[in-house]
Amino acid sequence: ELKVEQNPLFLSMQEGKNYTIYCNYSTTSDRLYWYRQDPGKSLESLFVLLSNGAVKQEGRLMASLDTKARLSTLHITAAVHDLSATYFCAVDMGDGSEKLVFGKGTKLTVNP
Amino acid sequence: GAVVSQHPSRVICKSGTSVKIECRSLDFQATTMFWYRQFPKQSLMLMATSNEGSKATYEQGVEKDKFLINHASLTLSTLTVTSAHPEDSSFYICSASSRGSSYNEQFFGPGTRLTVL
Repeated sequence: ELKVEQNPLFLSMQEGKNYTIYCNYSTTSDRLYWYRQDPGKSLESLFVLLSNGAVKQEGRLMASLDTKARLSTLHITAAVHDLSATYFCAVDMGDGSEKLVFGKGTKLTVNP
Repeated sequence: GAVVSQHPSRVICKSGTSVKIECRSLDFQATTMFWYRQFPKQSLMLMATSNEGSKATYEQGVEKDKFLINHASLTLSTLTVTSAHPEDSSFYICSASSRGSSYNEQFFGPGTRLTVL
């Protein structure tokens, strides 16, 4: 059974600081997704990582995937208040079903 | 492209009534649609997977007689919560994927907030 663990679950940081959110998963998969969710809203797709060593960047966010370590990271550079949200990683089950298993989410609060 | 809509966005109903939620892919044909529920401050939990023209596949612990799913066309899936009770109150999110995309990415709808009184 695929398990996906995110940490930390809560993250409070100051504007301008850097931090990393980690996503570990338990079985082989080569597709990992990062999403952002604002309160009361649905998911916004941030990154799709499809292969070992994949790195993608958009603004102050950078995501990477290490399939051998079964680890993905979401790095935040020089955080700003607008990045406050809950971030989820989701891993494709890899069995052809297209099902995703979600982590519990990381609630990020960026303080001025 | 790849827009998924849900209707209604918010519904309040009395206990014992049935509620239907629609999920539409607006600009692509969705070979597979997924239904999730999300309780406050929790993650998304997959309820069922539906493919056009065939019966939905439910996840363990999800009552298929309570949560009726119909995927009548390549652009529409519906979730009916039958005889709703307060514990069914939740945020329901659908997603749709297309075999035409290179990696079958799921595109998420805006969600439906159900409150059962």
